[in-house]
Amino acid sequence: EAGVAQSPRYKIIEKRQSVAFWCNPISGHATLYWYQQILGQGPKLLIQFQNNGVVDDSQLPKDRFSAERLKGVDSTLKIQPAKLEDSAVYLCASSPFAGPEAFFGQGTRLTVV
Amino acid sequence: AQTVTQSQPEMSVQEAETVTLSCTYDTSENNYYLFWYKQPPSRQMILVIRQEAYKQQNATENRFSVNFQKAAKSFSLKISDSQLGDTAMYFCAFFVTDSWGKLQFGAGTQVVVTP
Repeated sequence: EAGVAQSPRYKIIEKRQSVAFWCNPISGHATLYWYQQILGQGPKLLIQFQNNGVVDDSQLPKDRFSAERLKGVDSTLKIQPAKLEDSAVYLCASSPFAGPEAFFGQGTRLTVV
Repeated sequence: AQTVTQSQPEMSVQEAETVTLSCTYDTSENNYYLFWYKQPPSRQMILVIRQEAYKQQNATENRFSVNFQKAAKSFSLKISDSQLGDTAMYFCAFFVTDSWGKLQFGAGTQVVVTP
């Protein structure tokens, strides 16, 4: 069974630029999570999708972050414009409908300079 | 709101020895799951062990076992016969089974296994 795929693995951008991350979850998984993991901290949930609908985006900085999951399969997380404090690893995870076990991708390490 | 607390930033253990990581959580929910995830330098988050709150028996997976104290809201992980490959960040995570479920993590404990 293929795991959660994320791309790119690494990205370096200048502040105020935009960036997008892509995630393809495990086939058939209805739930998709995006987490932000700042160095030395635990992952913080940014947004949770159930199929193609958002069920939790309470910690997503909506003035600069956006995410979509068209057709309830793969998802894109965008940051525009990026700030220095957005430097982090962005993890995507998926689970069967309503969890509980989540399967993670390898993450994208973003550096904003 | 639920919180997950890991109070040990780093733990060091010698090969073949045992190390115990602590985790406490706070919730008013009755139905939930607890997990320990391992994150090596590759960043891949790997599930180590899970515990259903309704089960009294502590979960065990090979060298990994938990001590689940529901009344105390405590969920510790014991790694027995530590191996060099166990070196990683370990995260305690909490999943509440409300309408959609949400997986929430603690700050993590860095485990370093030395020869």
